[in-house]
Amino acid sequence: GESVGLHLPTLSVQEGDNSIINCAYSNSASDYFIWYKQESGKGPQFIIDIRSNMDKRQGQRVTVLLNKTVKHLSLQIAATQPGDSAVYFCAEGEGYNFNKFYFGSGTKLNVKP
Amino acid sequence: KAGVTQTPRYLIKTRGQQVTLSCSPISGHRSVSWYQQTPGQGLQFLFEYFSETQRNKGNFPGRFSGRQFSNSRSEMNVSTLELGDSALYLCASSLEAGAKTQYFGPGTRLLVL
Repeated sequence: GESVGLHLPTLSVQEGDNSIINCAYSNSASDYFIWYKQESGKGPQFIIDIRSNMDKRQGQRVTVLLNKTVKHLSLQIAATQPGDSAVYFCAEGEGYNFNKFYFGSGTKLNVKP
Repeated sequence: KAGVTQTPRYLIKTRGQQVTLSCSPISGHRSVSWYQQTPGQGLQFLFEYFSETQRNKGNFPGRFSGRQFSNSRSEMNVSTLELGDSALYLCASSLEAGAKTQYFGPGTRLLVL
């Protein structure tokens, strides 16, 4: 889930397992959602996005699920690899107006070899 | 194609000083956005420049300013630094204003003492 205070929630998984990272959003008018991956010392990297007219979208080893009823977004990573270790955060907003987007603080994914 | 570059990567300043950060977007990209990232707040939008004009501005005090040059390179300036300005400052470029996909640079880590 999203962070509270200065300490990011951490998800530890074994290499090869599937990972699920969750995000709760607040704005019911948000119609565009993005998941980012941020490795240590690097800027955020786009992973996958979804529009509000969809419930599910799949990419390479990643799936995003959107539940508009409870305003919940999740990122599933299949067969997690050590290279997936990073902070993952979601972003929500209307259209592509990034000046009005809300970006979460993220969840730290720790993949154990 | 080279990615977004930001200079300097690390900076230490004292309260009251001013600082200028630089961002070179991906070649051909004309829109540059700036964000502040802190552990507790996540990414917060500062401003967006397109064709040397500020297109959008976030909720930051007037101490934060920016500009864009004719070659799309951008600078942001923070005057009268405060301790709370310590953060990772990220620049993102996109082809056009309001484009769906932004590409982030590695950021400038600013520490204010």
